[in-house]
Amino acid sequence: AQSVTQLGSHVSVSEGALVLLRCNYSSSVPPYLFWYVQYPNQGLQLLLKYTTGATLVKGINGFEAEFKKSETSFHLTKPSAHMSDAAEYFCAVSEDTGFQKLVFGTGTRLLVSP
Amino acid sequence: DAGVTQSPTHLIKTRGQQVTLRCSPKSGHDTVSWYQQALGQGPQFIFQYYEEEERQRGNFPDRFSGHQYPNYSSELNVNALLLGDSALYLCASSSRDRGNSPLHFGNGTRLTVT
Repeated sequence: AQSVTQLGSHVSVSEGALVLLRCNYSSSVPPYLFWYVQYPNQGLQLLLKYTTGATLVKGINGFEAEFKKSETSFHLTKPSAHMSDAAEYFCAVSEDTGFQKLVFGTGTRLLVSP
Repeated sequence: DAGVTQSPTHLIKTRGQQVTLRCSPKSGHDTVSWYQQALGQGPQFIFQYYEEEERQRGNFPDRFSGHQYPNYSSELNVNALLLGDSALYLCASSSRDRGNSPLHFGNGTRLTVT
């Protein structure tokens, strides 16, 4: 069965600092991996996805993530945090080529201080 | 181009009642999935509809049922509501014809069961 572990329910950074949100997954087959962001009272917005090919994936708003099969990880990074990045971030895995049945982690709330 | 729209935005029900939530997919999308997001948790897959049939189902009891209409819109029905059904219910859509596009989520319906 697939699963996702997000280390740290809360991560606090200063504006301009590096953002690192950790995600480890478990999957019996090569996974499809996703990061979504959720702002208060809103649905989820796709930041980036890994399907096949290049292991370093670039997404929207300056975020990127690297798929490391040997470490079963898909950590999300951003070189310089903005106040507007404060939100809840979810890592998700799918073994379904249709990307319909996603298994989500419990989320990491990113707090950005001035 | 309208995204995924859900109605109502908020709903309060009493234990034992039944509820129907509605979703219109993003224009051009033909597949609808429903997720339940309990407070402080990541979304959990309920089921997916394509061509008016339930195609995949997560680990949810039969009290949760759904429907998809010819115009691709969908309903989620929950019978015999329990306090534990209180959650944000998210609808997501995608297009099978566009090479398994990622899910686009609506803003959700907040269901409170008292």
